Amino acid sequence: DAGVTQSPTHLIKTRGQQVTLRCSPKSGHDTVSWYQQALGQGPQFIFQYYEEEERQRGNFPDRFSGHQFPNYSSELNVNALLLGDSALYLCASSLGRTNTEAFFGQGTRLTVV
Amino acid sequence: GQQVMQIPQYQHVQEGEDFTTYCNSSTTLSNIQWYKQRPGGHPVFLIQLVKSGEVKKQKRLTFQFGEAKKNSSLHITATQTTDVGTYFCAGFRGGATNKLIFGTGTLLAVQP
Repeated sequence: DAGVTQSPTHLIKTRGQQVTLRCSPKSGHDTVSWYQQALGQGPQFIFQYYEEEERQRGNFPDRFSGHQFPNYSSELNVNALLLGDSALYLCASSLGRTNTEAFFGQGTRLTVV
Repeated sequence: GQQVMQIPQYQHVQEGEDFTTYCNSSTTLSNIQWYKQRPGGHPVFLIQLVKSGEVKKQKRLTFQFGEAKKNSSLHITATQTTDVGTYFCAGFRGGATNKLIFGTGTLLAVQP
């Protein structure tokens, strides 16, 4: 049983570019949440997807957008990259919209130069 | 906005010593979760507490949820080198929100 998988593991982009990160949830999970974790800090909630719709959103600008597919996998898109977007991007899957255990992927380390 | 603070930010102990991290929220939480993140790794779920005053134990780890559901603690008895990592509390505010708000984390270093 595969856990949460994210791709790519590492990525280097230039300021102003756009990036797409991908996440496959744990088998049986239907909810995907995305987090941004800067070095030395706790994960910050970006948004959550359930039934292919964005259900909750944190304090992130519209440059951050996402999508959930019918198979529950998800993408995180970031436009007009800034140096400050450099971080570890974590995907977490869970079952349903209730407050249950979240399973995190290994993350994508994004570096913006 | 809602803030979840943890103290201390960093703790260095000798192997065998006890360790405690405290978590405090500015608002009441519906429940609280604890995660461990090893250096270079990702957060791994440890436990969830739901009831006011709840205490749960996992081997050498003891978790407590405050009576007012605004604070929590994690205590590790007789630390081992395998306990090294950052411990995060994370809470749900309740109601219609499903946003999991992470604390600032406590980095534990264990010297053999």
